[in-house]
Amino acid sequence: NAGVTQTPKFQVLKTGQSMTLQCAQDMNHEYMSWYRQDPGMGLRLIHYSVGAGITDQGEVPNGYNVSRSTTEDFPLRLLSAAPSQTSVYFCASTAYNEQFFGPGTRLTVL
Amino acid sequence: DAKTTQPPSMDCAEGRAANLPCNHSTISGNEYVYWYRQIHSQGPQYIIHGLKNNETNEMASLIITEDRKSSTLILPHATLRDTAVYYCIVPPGAGNNRKLIWGLGTSLAVNP
Repeated sequence: NAGVTQTPKFQVLKTGQSMTLQCAQDMNHEYMSWYRQDPGMGLRLIHYSVGAGITDQGEVPNGYNVSRSTTEDFPLRLLSAAPSQTSVYFCASTAYNEQFFGPGTRLTVL
Repeated sequence: DAKTTQPPSMDCAEGRAANLPCNHSTISGNEYVYWYRQIHSQGPQYIIHGLKNNETNEMASLIITEDRKSSTLILPHATLRDTAVYYCIVPPGAGNNRKLIWGLGTSLAVNP
């Protein structure tokens, strides 16, 4: 049981490039979410999904797209990277009373 | 959403109990109190949650005051590995652990 996995662990992009952050869980949870965490701040919700085929926006969705074709996978796509998107990104999978977090992806946009 | 207030930092000696306070004076009757922690650079980790009764698990105890306006997370025998940021969160609605609003938490330093 791997829990929540995220790839890559680190990524450096140039402004304007696009990329996809991968997230997968093997706990068969319906609810998954993406957060970003900037230095000295709490986590902020980007997008979430209540099940395959259903996604919705969180607090800071601009510049990001998500899709949920399977229960296991919930990728986050940066359309055109900007320096303001430099952050640590966490994916989470939620049981009724507990969120399970992945190890995070550290993204730097130059 | 019920706002929570936590001290920004605390210290604790290794082997002693760490008592982390949280104020949530606007909490509604059906809203739970959740605690998570984040060890440096890692993803947050669930610790415990409760509604009105005191709760205990293998990681910690949660004491909620009778008026539910504040709570205390207790790590009974803190170790160096308990050094982390601890978040007290009250999500909106009954039993809703999905849309968590994360504040800055309390940075706990456990000292040898």
